[in-house]
Amino acid sequence: KAGVTQTPRYLIKTRGQQVTLSCSPISGHRSVSWYQQTPGQGLQFLFEYFSETQRNKGNFPGRFSGRQFSNSRSEMNVSTLELGDSALYLCASSRSVNYGYTFGSGTRLTVV
Amino acid sequence: GENVEQHPSTLSVQEGDSAVIKCTYSDSASNYFPWYKQELGKRPQLIIDIRSNVGEKKDQRIAVTLNKTAKHFSLHITETQPEDSAVYFCAASIDLAGGGNKLTFGTGTQLKVEL
Repeated sequence: KAGVTQTPRYLIKTRGQQVTLSCSPISGHRSVSWYQQTPGQGLQFLFEYFSETQRNKGNFPGRFSGRQFSNSRSEMNVSTLELGDSALYLCASSRSVNYGYTFGSGTRLTVV
Repeated sequence: GENVEQHPSTLSVQEGDSAVIKCTYSDSASNYFPWYKQELGKRPQLIIDIRSNVGEKKDQRIAVTLNKTAKHFSLHITETQPEDSAVYFCAASIDLAGGGNKLTFGTGTQLKVEL
């Protein structure tokens, strides 16, 4: 069965721009979480969606937002990009709470 | 909030030796502890997980132990092979008031298995 699919794989943006990243979870998985991975900060939790509702949010500024659609696909948006937003953004899906989160390959965002 | 500490940050072993990575967590309400392996340029992959009602779990050469009293858990890899070389992350998960949960990750251990 297909894994977690993230698009695009790579993205280069300029400071001040906004960006939208997409995540398609494994079929049947209703929970989608987003993480930011950087060499200095490791894996940081951004937010989690379940049945189109954001259930939990990490300690990121309001420039980071997301949503989930009725087919469980999720998007993450970052507005007014800063250099420090350069990172690998990972999406993970799970069929239920505390059950085998599967990560996608990520979107590598570079802000110049 | 939850805090997960992971040690060591780098670990070098000879092929065939065992490797142990240790993590401690701060929130006693954490109830799910997965371990992920991330090879260079690839996504983190779940290799084993344990729930708070279990003290030990084994899967072939990999085992995880959990000590709830001390709030620490460990990953044990026996008979290490070069393909075990990767960064390993521990994580702790807590059920949140709004439903769902979130994973708090350790800072990672770079394991190198030398021939």
